[in-house]
Amino acid sequence: GQQLNQSPQSMFIQEGEDVSMNCTSSSIFNTWLWYKQDPGEGPVLLIALYKAGELTSNGRLTAQFGITRKDSFLNISASIPSDVGIYFCAGPDSGYALNFGKGTSLLVTP
Amino acid sequence: DAGVTQSPTHLIKTRGQHVTLRCSPISGHKSVSWYQQVLGQGPQFIFQYYEKEERGRGNFPDRFSARQFPNYSSELNVNALLLGDSALYLCASSLWWNTEAFFGQGTRLTVV
Repeated sequence: GQQLNQSPQSMFIQEGEDVSMNCTSSSIFNTWLWYKQDPGEGPVLLIALYKAGELTSNGRLTAQFGITRKDSFLNISASIPSDVGIYFCAGPDSGYALNFGKGTSLLVTP
Repeated sequence: DAGVTQSPTHLIKTRGQHVTLRCSPISGHKSVSWYQQVLGQGPQFIFQYYEKEERGRGNFPDRFSARQFPNYSSELNVNALLLGDSALYLCASSLWWNTEAFFGQGTRLTVV
């Protein structure tokens, strides 16, 4: 499957700060998914994007489907300690598999 | 409603042994997928089953096999275990084959 590139690899921020991370691919995707994974747990779906240019919110989280369909962005506003975890972007290939990035690790200090 | 459930949660096996991992999808979901996640990486696709048929297979050796039962639950089997098979094995269920996937908590497999 295609490799998705996530940046930054890790972030260390203070509580209350806003966070922005992105994901790029060399191939076009028709869907972008953002997941959060806590240590020892499975990924939890945060936001699903289905249309180029689409901007979708889920509480303090906002994600956008890039116009080129080769990128996506996730923003977290007013971060809190429970936002700590690894954030993955994923996109389905022409078959049935989800391709994942390597993740952005977020650490939030009180 | 119950989410995706996987069993067991942890497992230790010896090289060369066989292992079976189990997954129950969200009620009403007809598709189950399996992923392998090694430390520091994103999940890697192994299989997808939809309506009890294999619909996709990732780049894994033939030692890996799976099946889906009439109640849509699924098993992942791995034969002749290698040390490199140590990983978190994730099951995901979807309503259809091409809708968003919801993951279970995973099975942590350690091969010694």
